[in-house]
Amino acid sequence: KNQVEQSPQSLIILEGKNCTLQCNYTVSPFSNLRWYKQDTGRGPVSLTIMTFSENTKSNGRYTATLDADTKQSSLHITASQLSDSASYICVVRIKAAGNKLTFGGGTRVLVKP
Amino acid sequence: DVKVTQSSRYLVKRTGEKVFLECVQDMDHENMFWYRQDPGLGLRLIYFSYDVKMKEKGDIPEGYSVSREKKERFSLILESASTNQTSMYLCASSFDRGVQYFGAGTRLSVL
Repeated sequence: KNQVEQSPQSLIILEGKNCTLQCNYTVSPFSNLRWYKQDTGRGPVSLTIMTFSENTKSNGRYTATLDADTKQSSLHITASQLSDSASYICVVRIKAAGNKLTFGGGTRVLVKP
Repeated sequence: DVKVTQSSRYLVKRTGEKVFLECVQDMDHENMFWYRQDPGLGLRLIYFSYDVKMKEKGDIPEGYSVSREKKERFSLILESASTNQTSMYLCASSFDRGVQYFGAGTRLSVL
């Protein structure tokens, strides 16, 4: 069982609309959580990072939230654009596990005009 | 800008062939990683390296080996390619425990 679960697996939204992606994790002890964006045919690129003490972080139209008590994070995309079409991957770093990361399966977002 | 370059975007190999995937980074990062990415499974760590000539097994090292003779270059080797190694391979690098920067990926098909 994956220790980082993302939902939904995929979604389609109309340009200009908002959407929220979910990430639930069970890995412990938690160090930080990062959201990556992966365009088709490209490698993942970091969007946001949050540590245990942070509960929200924004990067332009992307806003990530973290509830360390319930081990849930969300990524909210505001006023979606066609260029937001990509896979979004939630990644959790485990404390005291060196540099190893645990990746979610990703949510594939398609923005339609 | 950090640049992580993977030598091939697409590769087609036959079962049993020895396959080399090359990765070069230009930011003097100590840490380099090889992942494979399969639908529904996310990225899985194959091997990583903290320094030249140093390597550590990740979560799925079987059937793979690596080489790091120079700091900027990290090679993934499939000693005898098999069809279940058909996948997208991603290389990444990082400084200390910071963000990992990824290459564009190599899509490998083993026939």
